Amino acid sequence: NAGVTQTPKFQVLKTGQSMTLQCAQDMNHNSMYWYRQDPGMGLRLIYYSASEGTTDKGEVPNGYNVSRLNKREFSLRLESAAPSQTSVYFCATLLGVGQETQYFGPGTRLLVL
Amino acid sequence: ILNVEQSPQSLHVQEGDSTNFTCSFPSSNFYALHWYRWETAKSPEALFVMTLNGDEKKKGRISATLNTKEGYSYLYIKGSQPEDSATYLCAFLNQAGTALIFGKGTTLSVSS
Repeated sequence: NAGVTQTPKFQVLKTGQSMTLQCAQDMNHNSMYWYRQDPGMGLRLIYYSASEGTTDKGEVPNGYNVSRLNKREFSLRLESAAPSQTSVYFCATLLGVGQETQYFGPGTRLLVL
Repeated sequence: ILNVEQSPQSLHVQEGDSTNFTCSFPSSNFYALHWYRWETAKSPEALFVMTLNGDEKKKGRISATLNTKEGYSYLYIKGSQPEDSATYLCAFLNQAGTALIFGKGTTLSVSS
């Protein structure tokens, strides 16, 4: 049981390059989330998927796209990376509505030059 | 998108001091309030999930209270230890149960 996994762990991009951050979970959770963490900003929600087949914008969706490929996988794509997207990206999952907690992946550190 | 506020932004205490932080959230459309502990270079770890007005939860020296009518939660740490140094995040879950919105956190530093 790996929980929530993210790949890659670290990536350096040049401005304008594209890449996809992968997230997978083996806990059979319904909801999946992408956050970015920046100094002094806490965790800001980029996109989320309440269930397979649905995605919704969070607080800071501009410059990103997502795909909920199936129940296990939720990917985040940067089509044309910008230095402002340098951040640590966390994927998280939630079983559904109820008294359960959110589980986080280990994070992906992205540096855009 | 809803606003979740935490105060203070940072806090420095001496070992043995007790301390508390505040999380403010929208009182309408409330479903749950989460507290997480986040150490540098690690992923956030869950502390509490609170859903009922007046709820109080405890985990060792850490406890939390919830007031959904006025939209706030307090996190208390009794007898702070250096290992309590971390950022404490609260997050609001709405009634649709879909979007978990985080505050910016309170960073606690405990000196020995």
